[in-house]
Amino acid sequence: GAVVSQHPSRVICKSGTSVKIECRSLDFQATTMFWYRQFPKQSLMLMATSNEGSKATYEQGVEKDKFLINHASLTLSTLTVTSAHPEDSSFYICSAGGSSEQYFGPGTRLTVT
Amino acid sequence: KQEVTQIPAALSVPEGENLVLNCSFTDSAIYNLQWFRQDPGKGLTSLLLIQSSQREQTSGRLNASLDKSSGRSTLYIAASQPGDSATYLCAVRDTNAGKSTFGDGTTLTVKP
Repeated sequence: GAVVSQHPSRVICKSGTSVKIECRSLDFQATTMFWYRQFPKQSLMLMATSNEGSKATYEQGVEKDKFLINHASLTLSTLTVTSAHPEDSSFYICSAGGSSEQYFGPGTRLTVT
Repeated sequence: KQEVTQIPAALSVPEGENLVLNCSFTDSAIYNLQWFRQDPGKGLTSLLLIQSSQREQTSGRLNASLDKSSGRSTLYIAASQPGDSATYLCAVRDTNAGKSTFGDGTTLTVKP
């Protein structure tokens, strides 16, 4: 099946700093990618839909100025957590897919100290 | 707004038992439904994908069914093994390019 990669897999940062997470579709082009967040012992919650060449669409309650999404090419979307705080510590997972199956990246564990 | 519910939240069975995990969704206008496995601290492993026009899919000891009209899907695991211990998530996709809505998962423990 298609492969979606994420980088980094783990990141620890200090409160107030910004962190960028990359999501790449390795063997297919993705006009749309999705960013999910998973808190401990909870399910995945959609944060935003990343659209190639246009602005991302954010779910209700997700701050667009805090979670910056850039989808500059058909194979790369980035999520930047700006001015991170400890409550932003979570598991971030991206997905991409065509007309059938969605493929999920391996996730990025963010810890803000 | 689509809502996905998984029952039970947790399940513990002895090795060798057959078991059924349940997933229900509120909006039957779905594109497909996918079952995933997630091990602690890890990402998602796709198990089975059922398109909206299909009734079931099988892979090895796993069988997933879909009843779109009633908003239900089941994941049947035959002859469970300790290695099956994980959290199982179902996700419903709304359109052919749309997002997935996840249930809260069922955490399965298979005891040797």
